[in-house]
Amino acid sequence: AQSVTQPDIHITVSEGASLELRCNYSYGATPYLFWYVQSPGQGLQLLLKYFSGDTLVQGIKGFEAEFKRSQSSFNLRKPSVHWSDAAEYFCAVGVNDYKLSFGAGTTVTVRA
Amino acid sequence: DGGITQSPKYLFRKEGQNVTLSCEQNLNHDAMYWYRQDPGQGLRLIYYSQIVNDFQKGDIAEGYSVSREKKESFPLTVTSAQKNPTAFYLCASTYGRGNQPQHFGDGTRLSIL
Repeated sequence: AQSVTQPDIHITVSEGASLELRCNYSYGATPYLFWYVQSPGQGLQLLLKYFSGDTLVQGIKGFEAEFKRSQSSFNLRKPSVHWSDAAEYFCAVGVNDYKLSFGAGTTVTVRA
Repeated sequence: DGGITQSPKYLFRKEGQNVTLSCEQNLNHDAMYWYRQDPGQGLRLIYYSQIVNDFQKGDIAEGYSVSREKKESFPLTVTSAQKNPTAFYLCASTYGRGNQPQHFGDGTRLSIL
């Protein structure tokens, strides 16, 4: 079965600085990869997804992610964070069934 | 606008009581899901349903039950057998298999009185 690891539980970044969130997956083939964001007390919102093709994927809110097959990684990046980016971020992996596996999440704090 | 509606947003349960969480979607999605979210543990799958009148257990189904009598609705019952029900519950839906992103409701927070 596939699994997802988000090594960083909590990241603090200054407003205007760059952000990178790590995601590693374990699966024999290339899975379907997703990044979601969750504000406190809310549901999850899809930021971006990767199925195939170009390994650099653009998403909403200025986020992008890069799929690296050799490293089994799908890291999320944003060049310049805004205070509104403070939230919890989840990486998820899907295969050829109806289920997703989620990482434990990374909480992002943005300081002024 | 299409979306997923979960109700209520907050729910309180007494010891020994069953409670039902509602999830309705108007996205015409085939598959629906229930997740439990606890701090530091991400999302854990409770039950999912690919089509009407069919559902499968997820990773933590014990103490929970579901039904799928209509495509739009997938209610979750937290039974008295669930000894630690306090959590944030999320409902999601999707068109189909793993290459489709799941869309989420805003969640229900369940607490024990």
